[in-house]
Amino acid sequence: NAGVTQTPKFRVLKTGQSMTLLCAQDMNHEYMYWYRQDPGMGLRLIHYSVGEGTTAKGEVPDGYNVSRLKKQNFLLGLESAAPSQTSVYFCASSRLSGGTNGELFFGEGSRLTVL
Amino acid sequence: GNSVTQMEGPVTLSEEAFLTINCTYTATGYPSLFWYVQYPGEGLQLLLKATKADDKGSNKGFEATYRKETTSFHLEKGSVQVSDSAVYFCALSESLSGGSYIPTFGRGTSLIVHP
Repeated sequence: NAGVTQTPKFRVLKTGQSMTLLCAQDMNHEYMYWYRQDPGMGLRLIHYSVGEGTTAKGEVPDGYNVSRLKKQNFLLGLESAAPSQTSVYFCASSRLSGGTNGELFFGEGSRLTVL
Repeated sequence: GNSVTQMEGPVTLSEEAFLTINCTYTATGYPSLFWYVQYPGEGLQLLLKATKADDKGSNKGFEATYRKETTSFHLEKGSVQVSDSAVYFCALSESLSGGSYIPTFGRGTSLIVHP
């Protein structure tokens, strides 16, 4: 049972470089989310998607872009990385409805350091 | 908008002590409530949930009761173990128009249990 898989697990970037984090889920979930986790700040929603081809901004979307070209994949892009984007990034997915009431399934996280 | 407030940590206890982590929420409708747990170096995983008022969620010795009158969902365990050391997140998920669920998380409470 793979569940939600994030790649890469770790990455170090220099300021101004770009990169993409990949999230893949094999549960046929409609909803997918990207969060960042910083000390003392809890989880903050960056972007989310309610279905293939659709994305929406969350609480802290600036500096990030996302795409959901396939239902099972949700990509998070950093076009020009900044030290403030040093964080642990979590992807999550959930079903649209049907009894789970919005329960999220999380990946293991991707630790990004921007120098 | 919706919000979740948790007690700040860290909470430090000795093994076999009683645990309470407070969680209160603000929501416009009738949300489902969740506790997630994050063990060191891992992603979040669902610990327990409750979907309507007076429901009690329970798992692994942990319990929480959905109290609509006090808008609370406090997490309790009668006897903690060292292996319970983790960060605990309270969350709510409310059905929006069209059936979508956008979860809201608290900032997390770190629990440290000493032998």
